[in-house]
Amino acid sequence: GAVVSQHPSWVICKSGTSVKIECRSLDFQATTMFWYRQFPKQSLMLMATSNEGSKATYEQGVEKDKFLINHASLTLSTLTVTSAHPEDSSFYICSARMAGLNTGELFFGEGSRLTVL
Amino acid sequence: SQQGEEDPQALSIQEGENATMNCSYKTSINNLQWYRQNSGRGLVHLILIRSNEREKHSGRLRVTLDTSKKSSSLLITASRAADTASYFCATDVRYSTLTFGKGTMLLVSP
Repeated sequence: GAVVSQHPSWVICKSGTSVKIECRSLDFQATTMFWYRQFPKQSLMLMATSNEGSKATYEQGVEKDKFLINHASLTLSTLTVTSAHPEDSSFYICSARMAGLNTGELFFGEGSRLTVL
Repeated sequence: SQQGEEDPQALSIQEGENATMNCSYKTSINNLQWYRQNSGRGLVHLILIRSNEREKHSGRLRVTLDTSKKSSSLLITASRAADTASYFCATDVRYSTLTFGKGTMLLVSP
């Protein structure tokens, strides 16, 4: 149980286009989902926290108009990288906090590797 | 901003040996968690230790927490080649988000 699915797992796009990444909790409801960005051989940097039905909370330095986050249901959050540029190339990982589970554990997706040409 | 700092940054050992990774953090925490990441993959939760706990075991894993020193250690006993991965500590400060350290890359050679 507690599976988080991310799609697509990898995507290549041209500079200036927008890319949407989906994060789904397959067998549980996620009250909160988190989006992280990871550069090669580095740690995960929290980009934003999204709660179902409300606006995402972005970390300092993350452009909310650049990285649009929508959390329309208890099982789906999306991250849209708008007008992508090569510097947006990275590994994006989502995680979900299970509703009713108060252990603090997060369940992670497999990540989405974005390459902007 | 980074909360946890792991050391060593990289660790190379032989199968059967024990691997110890350390994590230091800066602020008070509710709990500390260790995650594993295989190259290019998502993170897998290994173990969680609460701020009022000092030691916890799970299979071949042993985690300690010293809140006075703001540090934690992860011990993997009798390591296997399949344990090769990056290991991250993460601190839970607000019961809402996790802040990850820089990670330790562990290489276990057959």
